[in-house]
Amino acid sequence: EVQLLESGGGLVQPGGSLRLSCAASGFTFSSYTLSWVRQAPGKGLEWVSSISGSGGSTYYADSVKGRFTISRDNSKNTLYLQMKSLRAEDTAVFYCAKDEGSGSYYIDSWGQGTLVTVSS
Amino acid sequence: QLVLTQSPSASASLGASVKLTCTLSSGHSNYAITWHQQQPEKGPRYLMKLNSDGNHIKGDGIPDRFSGSSSGAERYLTISSLQSEDEADYYCQTWGTGIRVVFGGGTKLTVL
Repeated sequence: EVQLLESGGGLVQPGGSLRLSCAASGFTFSSYTLSWVRQAPGKGLEWVSSISGSGGSTYYADSVKGRFTISRDNSKNTLYLQMKSLRAEDTAVFYCAKDEGSGSYYIDSWGQGTLVTVSS
Repeated sequence: QLVLTQSPSASASLGASVKLTCTLSSGHSNYAITWHQQQPEKGPRYLMKLNSDGNHIKGDGIPDRFSGSSSGAERYLTISSLQSEDEADYYCQTWGTGIRVVFGGGTKLTVL
């Protein structure tokens, strides 16, 4: 059974930094692309970033480019999202998501989410 | 530009059927999508992947009441024999060149 468990959320001041983690199990971690998707309070799902299975290719939404960095440690089956220069509008639940395989970015599994609140 | 368009809301009666629509932007009518359900106060749940020819592959444990179909640039999610727990937000998702993952705005389904 695929399991994705996010951690690292919390309250941070504007301009601050935070690192999210997503511990994965139940699949061959390095074979799948992974993504971060967020959901602001009362809003829809918004793609944040994706990373290839090897970690060699990374992609970002324009809203976070230059501020967020996605990475993965395939030896630890863990996905990361380093966030800096955080803004109030980054307040959201952040979900880790796995793709279906074969190098696609069709999401087929989700974590339970971790809440990030940016506020003074 | 790759865009997915969904109606903001839909409603249907308990025990009835409902068909939700996700429309692909011009030039992208051959794209597959995925459907996801988000019940109140919960995280998203993968329902199925739906191809342009209407073939779909459902996630583990997804009831037979959920099915998908396609017509041109339209991708449909049909839920039959509606139950109270089907009241949720439904999102479609796809991806495009330059690896842009795209979500529709979501449809809030109310079961009357």
